Amino acid sequence: DARVTQTPRHKVTEMGQEVTMRCQPILGHNTVFWYRQTMMQGLELLAYFRNRAPLDDSGMPKDRFSAEMPDATLATLKIQPSEPRDSAVYFCASGFWQGWGNSPLHFGNGTRLTVT
Amino acid sequence: EDKVVQSPLSLVVHEGDTVTLNCSYEVTNFRSLLWYKQEKKAPTFLFMLTSSGIEKKSGRLSSILDKKELFSILNITATQTGDSAVYLCAVGGDTDKLIFGTGTRLQVFP
Repeated sequence: DARVTQTPRHKVTEMGQEVTMRCQPILGHNTVFWYRQTMMQGLELLAYFRNRAPLDDSGMPKDRFSAEMPDATLATLKIQPSEPRDSAVYFCASGFWQGWGNSPLHFGNGTRLTVT
Repeated sequence: EDKVVQSPLSLVVHEGDTVTLNCSYEVTNFRSLLWYKQEKKAPTFLFMLTSSGIEKKSGRLSSILDKKELFSILNITATQTGDSAVYLCAVGGDTDKLIFGTGTRLQVFP
């Protein structure tokens, strides 16, 4: 059963440290999204890619967050330096967009980040 | 600004009850509305709706979209404890982004 794989599952780090989260989208999917989920805000869109090109990263704090897709099998989300307010579950999701409409996104199990 | 609002925020019912979850939206050039179920981990896909008035059904779950009034409902009949979860509604427009509501937390007690 094809699925989106995220690593690590959990990450505890101290304020100021760099955090890198990785995502392997489902093979053949051409669109990758990064979401952040907190109790207060729900699922917030951070950034997304189509065919590895960044389309929108307006949801990310630009000074500390960066998202890349070095190849079709890997998407990364980096926070440097991390802050306690970044504590959340970060989800990666992938789908196949054909240009005329949305298709269902398939989510990974998330990375639970705790910044102390 | 695109917006998705879900109600109620939470719901507590007994097994066997029927529930209706609501999702209203504002989005530029609507394309689709999706429902997801989230238990402990990743949201899992339930339905995608693109046309008004056509019911999508899967077992005890069904959903319908009203594009004139800009809302959708998700019905669950004969609820079971396994239906306990957060139900998320998401809407896509011409930017291809999927915008999520904050969800409805459903708790089903035996």
